[in-house]
Amino acid sequence: DVVMTQTPVSLPVSLGGQASISCRSSQSLVHSNGNTYLHWYLQKPGQSPQLLIYRVSNRFSGVPDRFSGSGSGTDFTLKISRVEPEDLGDYYCLQSTHFPLTFGSGTKLEIK
Amino acid sequence: QVTLKESGPGILQPSQTLSLTCSFSGFSLSTSGICVSWIRQPSGKGLEWLATICWEDSKGYNPSLKNRLTISKDTSNNQAFLKITSVDTADTAIYYCARSELGAPFDYWGQGVMVTVSS
Repeated sequence: DVVMTQTPVSLPVSLGGQASISCRSSQSLVHSNGNTYLHWYLQKPGQSPQLLIYRVSNRFSGVPDRFSGSGSGTDFTLKISRVEPEDLGDYYCLQSTHFPLTFGSGTKLEIK
Repeated sequence: QVTLKESGPGILQPSQTLSLTCSFSGFSLSTSGICVSWIRQPSGKGLEWLATICWEDSKGYNPSLKNRLTISKDTSNNQAFLKITSVDTADTAIYYCARSELGAPFDYWGQGVMVTVSS
């Protein structure tokens, strides 16, 4: 299975500040069709996860442009600028290039 | 408006079979490119993908659960199902169903259903 390693585990940030979360995969996420299937989710406290970014850098409908995704191959980053209270929660990366689909272990974004 | 809602038994005993239902609206599982998946989350822990079924009836399973999983659908009634056989306490979790559209996996999620395995 592809292992997805997320860092840091916990990320204290100041409101209005910037956050950066890393996700590294144990093998390349470039599919044979040329696409890279790496996605990001936010799970707010007591809620279901919600899709933020799909295929590395595409924001899902309604996601503010404060959220941006980048990376390639095995190394990916989610950046959140101007952090707001509604951004707090657990962030997960997911790879769907290889079966079985695997999630990262999560990063908790909390107030400093 | 896309919505999904899971339902299940709440509590069951070890060795029993867990049957889950995902009832959805706002899309059809007969539409090209649409899939429904099951994902679970033990309390305080991370997410684990379990199984996926797609519009043309293709299916995928997480091999970590060996041959315990069966996913199916009822397109006419807008439902998807998951069965897990021989449950034990390690299967205690919140179970989510989620929709995928080609290229954007798990774009809509249900609220989740808590399942407890206990003797």
